[in-house]
Amino acid sequence: NAGVTQTPKFQVLKTGQSMTLQCAQDMNHEYMSWYRQDPGMGLRLIHYSVGAGITDQGEVPNGYNVSRSTTEDFPLRLLSAAPSQTSVYFCASSKRSRDSSYEQYFGPGTRLTVT
Amino acid sequence: LAKTTQPISMDSYEGQEVNITCSHNNIATNDYITWYQQFPSQGPRFIIQGYKTKVTNEVASLFIPADRKSSTLSLPRVSLSDTAVYYCLVGDRGSNYQLIWGAGTKLIIKP
Repeated sequence: NAGVTQTPKFQVLKTGQSMTLQCAQDMNHEYMSWYRQDPGMGLRLIHYSVGAGITDQGEVPNGYNVSRSTTEDFPLRLLSAAPSQTSVYFCASSKRSRDSSYEQYFGPGTRLTVT
Repeated sequence: LAKTTQPISMDSYEGQEVNITCSHNNIATNDYITWYQQFPSQGPRFIIQGYKTKVTNEVASLFIPADRKSSTLSLPRVSLSDTAVYYCLVGDRGSNYQLIWGAGTKLIIKP
């Protein structure tokens, strides 16, 4: 199993540009989520999904969209990039959602810089 | 939302036992408390989870009192490779269920 994969690893955007961060998992996990981690800070939840076709907002959803058309894929779209969105983005998956006892598996992260 | 509090940083020496405590309130009644480890430029990695009392695995122990308002991660005989950031993770008791991450404790192990 590849686990959780994210592309790209690095990205530089200009203010106002849009892009999609890709996330895929091959573990047949129901739950997938996107986090951002600013330098020296903890993780903040952006959006999450409890299964194909079902998504919901996390703590910091503004400026981001998600969709979940398949169990495997959970892309994150930046609609109009802003410097405040400069961060490292992590995708994670786990077997279940409503229970922190299920181990979350994290991807390697995408480092995004918005100039 | 549930709220968590962890020390920002801690120092220790190789071979010592290290205890990191996370305080948490309004956590989901039937949910586990989980701890993760993160190295620079990597995603977090699961360490251990527990519901009440004490849990031990091959790398750590977790102590949770009966009121579940805190949890303590114990790392026995730390080495330089244990230098990392450690996060507690809890479930929120509110109707809009979410998982709440602590801000992380940066642990530095010295030789």
